This record gives sequence, C-alpha cells and structure tokens, in this order.
Amino acid sequence: NAGVTQTPKFRILKIGQSMTLQCTQDMNHNYMYWYRQDPGMGLKLIYYSVGAGITDKGEVPNGYNVSRSTTEDFPLRLELAAPSQTSVYFCASSYPHQGFTIYFGEGSWLTVV
Amino acid sequence: DQQVKQNSPSLSVQEGRISILNCDYTNSMFDYFLWYKKYPAEGPTFLISISSIKDKNEDGRFTVFLNKSAKHLSLHIVPSQPGDSAVYFCAATGNRDDKIIFGKGTRLHILP
Repeated sequence: NAGVTQTPKFRILKIGQSMTLQCTQDMNHNYMYWYRQDPGMGLKLIYYSVGAGITDKGEVPNGYNVSRSTTEDFPLRLELAAPSQTSVYFCASSYPHQGFTIYFGEGSWLTVV
Repeated sequence: DQQVKQNSPSLSVQEGRISILNCDYTNSMFDYFLWYKKYPAEGPTFLISISSIKDKNEDGRFTVFLNKSAKHLSLHIVPSQPGDSAVYFCAATGNRDDKIIFGKGTRLHILP
C-alpha cells in the first residue's frame, strides 16, 4: 500500500497564480484532511471531508477550495496565491472507527513569491 | 483561540532519562487524544492515543497520562533515545466532531 500520496512535493508560485495540490489514498478511508504547517504554528486544519461528496471548513479555509468526488482523492485548490499561503501542506486520511488515527502524506512545500 | 496548547516549544533531555511532554486543552467536548511524532521533511506519524474513559495508556517506552479534571495530558518517554529527537504534536477530537485539532508542537532534543 502506498498510503497517502501528495503531489507535487515542491512548488514555487507567483502571486495571483492558481494551482491544485493533489492527494490520493489507497486505504479506503472515509475521512480526509488538509493541514498546513507554518513555522512554530503547528498544524492548522484547512478543510476536511467525511466521505465522497461532503466537505467542510476547518480552522483556516480562506483562500482554498476542495472537492471530494471519489473516496480516494481530495485535491486542494489555491486560487489567487498570496505570500501568506507559503507553507508546508499535509494531506491525511483516517477511518475514525479505528480510533481516529490519521495517516499523513509526506508534505508539499509551497512558496509564493 | 487555541483549543490544544503545547506551551513548551522545545525540550532537551539527556539520553537514557525520562522525557515528559505536556499538553493542555480547553474544549470539554474533546474525548480522544493523540500524540504524533514528526521528523524534518516528513509527514507526522502516529505514536500513541488515549480515550477519555482511561487515564493512562502505555505502549513500550511511551506512556500517555490523561487528567480530565485539569484538561491536561502528558507523554512520557523512558528511557529517551537519540532517535526520539523530533517534534511531537498533541491532537484532540470529540466524539461528535469530525475535526482533529493539533497543538503547535514541542521539539524534543535528546542529548548524548
């Protein structure tokens, strides 16, 4: 099993550009999450999904959009990139009935210049 | 408004001694708590968890203690090893909530 796979690993964006961070998991998990990690700020929840067709805002959703058309995929879209979105992004998935243990991808480093 | 607080940004412990990492929470609806470990340039990995119906959970060198009345939990690592040097995140969720909220993390340095 590959687990949670994120692409790209690194990306530099110009202010105002848009991009999509891809995330896929092969564990048949219902729940998927997007977090961002800023230096010294821990992990902040951007969006999450409890199943295909259902998404909800987390702690810091502004400037992002998500969709969940399949159980496996949970892409994160950045519209009109801003320097404040420079961060490391982590996708994660879980099957809550197994104790809320969540499995993270390796991260995507995004720099907006 | 920080619902999960890790007030120590960093901690240094001698190899072989006990490491104690602390976490406080404010949301009384939280009833499941997790600890994650993160190495540089990698995603966090699950370490240990505890349900609010327990006050202690042990897994090898790792023990998590929960004090519900104080809304406090701690992670004990004994004995500490060089490979334990990492950032440790405390996280919490509620039975009626689908979100998992993380603290800011504590960077643990194990000194030789």
